[in-house]
Amino acid sequence: SAVISQKPSRDICQRGTSLTIQCQVDSQVTMMFWYRQQPGQSLTLIATANQGSEATYESGFVIDKFPISRPNLTFSTLTVSNMSPEDSSIYLCSVAGQGDSVGYTFGSGTRLTVV
Amino acid sequence: AQSVTQLGSHVSVSEGALVLLRCNYSSSVPPYLFWYVQYPNQGLQLLLKYTTGATLVKGINGFEAEFKKSETSFHLTKPSAHMSDAAEYFCAVKAGGYNKLIFGAGTRLAVHP
Repeated sequence: SAVISQKPSRDICQRGTSLTIQCQVDSQVTMMFWYRQQPGQSLTLIATANQGSEATYESGFVIDKFPISRPNLTFSTLTVSNMSPEDSSIYLCSVAGQGDSVGYTFGSGTRLTVV
Repeated sequence: AQSVTQLGSHVSVSEGALVLLRCNYSSSVPPYLFWYVQYPNQGLQLLLKYTTGATLVKGINGFEAEFKKSETSFHLTKPSAHMSDAAEYFCAVKAGGYNKLIFGAGTRLAVHP
């Protein structure tokens, strides 16, 4: 399965600022997914990122708040914009295996604290 | 729409006892089902998955799960709990043409001596 490198692993940010999270995969993948895990909660899908097209956002998430880039088949970034304490969460990227949409690998996550 | 329900947000067992974590799903099409484990301050690790074929699926660390269509369940079991099994466990479903996973709320497993 793919190996995902996600960074930063954690950060403490001031409210009103933005943070960009990077997700690097060791193989080419068609689809990349960004999830949010709020404290003590389950994972919620933010958006699906396909290379060469705009990301598809889930209900409750908007591009202005969570812009996503997908410049190639091995890399994606998620930006958390104009942060507030409510954005304090773990953000995880995930990929589905190429040619095999079954079997999802997750990055180790970015633990974000907004103060 | 697909959904997942995990019964019991917290489960506590003794070391050496049976582990049973419950998961029920809702899907209008044959589902793909997953169990993930999350250790403190870490990402998610795939324990096992069901796609098609044999309904009893074996995973890593001695865990297994059985897909029961009639009960819409995919419960996770392990015959003998180990202290290192203490973690958060998530059941997830992927269904139809949608590639995203829908996660349950999670079950925190505690193992005591």
